[in-house]
Amino acid sequence: GNSVTQMEGPVTLSEEAFLTINCTYTATGYPSLFWYVQYPGEGLQLLLKATKADDKGSNKGFEATYRKETTSFHLEKGSVQVSDSAVYFCALTFNQAGTALIFGKGTTLSVSS
Amino acid sequence: SAVISQKPSRDICQRGTSLTIQCQVDSQVTMMFWYRQQPGQSLTLIATANQGSEATYESGFVIDKFPISRPNLTFSTLTVSNMSPEDSSIYLCSVETGSYEQYFGPGTRLTVT
Repeated sequence: GNSVTQMEGPVTLSEEAFLTINCTYTATGYPSLFWYVQYPGEGLQLLLKATKADDKGSNKGFEATYRKETTSFHLEKGSVQVSDSAVYFCALTFNQAGTALIFGKGTTLSVSS
Repeated sequence: SAVISQKPSRDICQRGTSLTIQCQVDSQVTMMFWYRQQPGQSLTLIATANQGSEATYESGFVIDKFPISRPNLTFSTLTVSNMSPEDSSIYLCSVETGSYEQYFGPGTRLTVT
């Protein structure tokens, strides 16, 4: 079946450190891939997306590249800030109306100053 | 994108009672989704609500427990019926845009005592 696997958390970093959160997927077909972020006490916000192989999504200094050969969509940021502390979810869906998102388990990021 | 509001934002309910959660969108959308996020967990799809037809429920969720209404293209409700402590979760609605992206409401945090 279709699934998303994320690295276990929590991830604890100092401010300005480099961030990588690993995400791999299993899918029958060609999904679109997403990263969502959930700040404490809030709902999910779409952070970035990629719809086909080799696409790079980027937003707010975060990047992720759709790698079909390794079925991965790792999230990276060159220099994290305390305000980036949140839970990050990798997700996939198929480009058909009414298809729900399949989420990974989420990775908690904690950044200290 | 879309702006989504949910009511109530949180509630504490007695077991055996029911709670209806409202989801309002600032634009007309065809597909709406209801997810559950149990404490410290990822999101699980409850049902898909397409305006003008019956909601489609995922395995493990039934209409008697989680009845959904979708009276128009900007509004939906989810009722959590005959609640037990195991229903304590965050309930989120989402909408699908024309580019197959999904945007989420802020969530309803439900505690059942």
